[in-house]
Amino acid sequence: DAGVTQSPTHLIKTRGQQVTLRCSPKSGHDTVSWYQQALGQGPQFIFQYYEEEERQRGNFPDRFSGHQFPNYSSELNVNALLLGDSALYLCASSLRGWANEKLFFGSGTQLSVL
Amino acid sequence: AQTVTQSQPEMSVQEAETVTLSCTYDTSESDYYLFWYKQPPSRQMILVIRQEAYKQQNATENRFSVNFQKAAKSFSLKISDSQLGDAAMYFCAYRSAAGNQFYFGTGTSLTVIP
Repeated sequence: DAGVTQSPTHLIKTRGQQVTLRCSPKSGHDTVSWYQQALGQGPQFIFQYYEEEERQRGNFPDRFSGHQFPNYSSELNVNALLLGDSALYLCASSLRGWANEKLFFGSGTQLSVL
Repeated sequence: AQTVTQSQPEMSVQEAETVTLSCTYDTSESDYYLFWYKQPPSRQMILVIRQEAYKQQNATENRFSVNFQKAAKSFSLKISDSQLGDAAMYFCAYRSAAGNQFYFGTGTSLTVIP
C-alpha cells in the first residue's frame, strides 16, 4: 500500500521565481492538506483540498495556490518566491468524513530560496 | 486561533527508562482531538497516539500513553521502556472537531542515550 508521496524531495530556486510541488495521497484517501514547516518550527497549515476545491485556508498570502486533480493528487504552487518561503513543505492525506481523521504525511519537499 | 505550546525544546532519556513530554493548548471549544506525531530524520511525520476530548480515559498505544487533563488543557506523552528508535522530534497537535486544520506545537527533540 503506497503511502503519501511527494516530489521533488529537494528544490533550489531564486527570489522571484515560481515553484510547483506535487503530492500523491495514500491509496484510498480523497483529501489533501499542505503544511509549511520552517526550520525549528512545527508545521503550519496552508490549505486543504477536497473534491478538487480548496476547502479551508490558513494564514498564507495569495502567492500560495493549489490544485487537486480527479485522481486526488495535488499540486502546491508558490509565485514570486521570497527568502522566507524556504522551508519543508509537507503534504498530508486523509479520508474525508472520519470523525477523527488521521493525517498521513509524506516526507516533504525541502525548498531553498536563494 | 488555537495555540499549542511545547515548553521543552530538548529532552533526553536513558535507554529502557521512561520519559514524559509536555504539551499545553489553548482553546474555547469543547469538542476536539489531540495528537502526538513523531518526526525522525527522514522528515516523515508519523502518528504516535491520538486522544478524543470527549473521552475521559487516557489513550494508550503499546509503550506510549498520554495524560490528558482537559480542565488544565494539558496533554503529555509518556514513553516507557525507551528505545533508540524513539529518538526524534515529537510534535503535539490539536484539531477542532468542526474544522480541518491541525495546529502544531514547536516540537521537542528527544535523544535516547544508550
